[in-house]
Amino acid sequence: DIQMTQSPSVLSASVGDRVTLNCKASQNINKYLNWYQQKLGEAPKLLIYNTNNLQTGIPSRFSGSGSGTDYTLTISSLQPEDVATYFCFQHNSWPLTFGSGTKLEIK
Amino acid sequence: QVQLKESGPVLVQASETLSLTCTVSGFSLTNYGVIWVRQPPGKGLEWMGIIWRNGNTDYNSALKSRLSINRDTSKSQVFLKMNSLQTDDTAIYYCTRGALLDYWGQGVMVTVSS
Repeated sequence: DIQMTQSPSVLSASVGDRVTLNCKASQNINKYLNWYQQKLGEAPKLLIYNTNNLQTGIPSRFSGSGSGTDYTLTISSLQPEDVATYFCFQHNSWPLTFGSGTKLEIK
Repeated sequence: QVQLKESGPVLVQASETLSLTCTVSGFSLTNYGVIWVRQPPGKGLEWMGIIWRNGNTDYNSALKSRLSINRDTSKSQVFLKMNSLQTDDTAIYYCTRGALLDYWGQGVMVTVSS
């Protein structure tokens, strides 16, 4: 199984900061990497699919990049409503696997 | 618009079988697969299995011996059955659309009681 390792596990930043969340796969996943945002008590929401494609309706401050085994979600200017846990997800190989999440907090 | 909604019992006894239904609208099950994902309280997400648009299924190997996913396309419903439940199967169970998991149901919290 492909292991997905997210870092950091908790990130605290200020409103307006540029923040970067990382996701590392245990083997090449060929850019088949999605990012989801999960707010407390809610279902996850798709933000980015296939590394760098912004899902419809998602603000442009969210962006994704990466290749091979290393991927990044960037929020260009952190907003209070971005407080959530962010999960990466690989759909290159079976079984499909999620990262353990990065909890994003506001300082 | 696209919607998915999970339904089923919220409390199940250990060793019994869990039966959940995912009712979808706004798309056809013959055009999109449906994936089941679960999340134990305070923990991460686990992919359980998928029923493809052609009706074929794939399962997480860790659950394969206990899990089955079926569907009724005429009712736009997907069914999950998992037997021999244990307390560590306590989780929120979600159904989601397609390989991108682009739409999610609200989830149903299932507690397995010993």
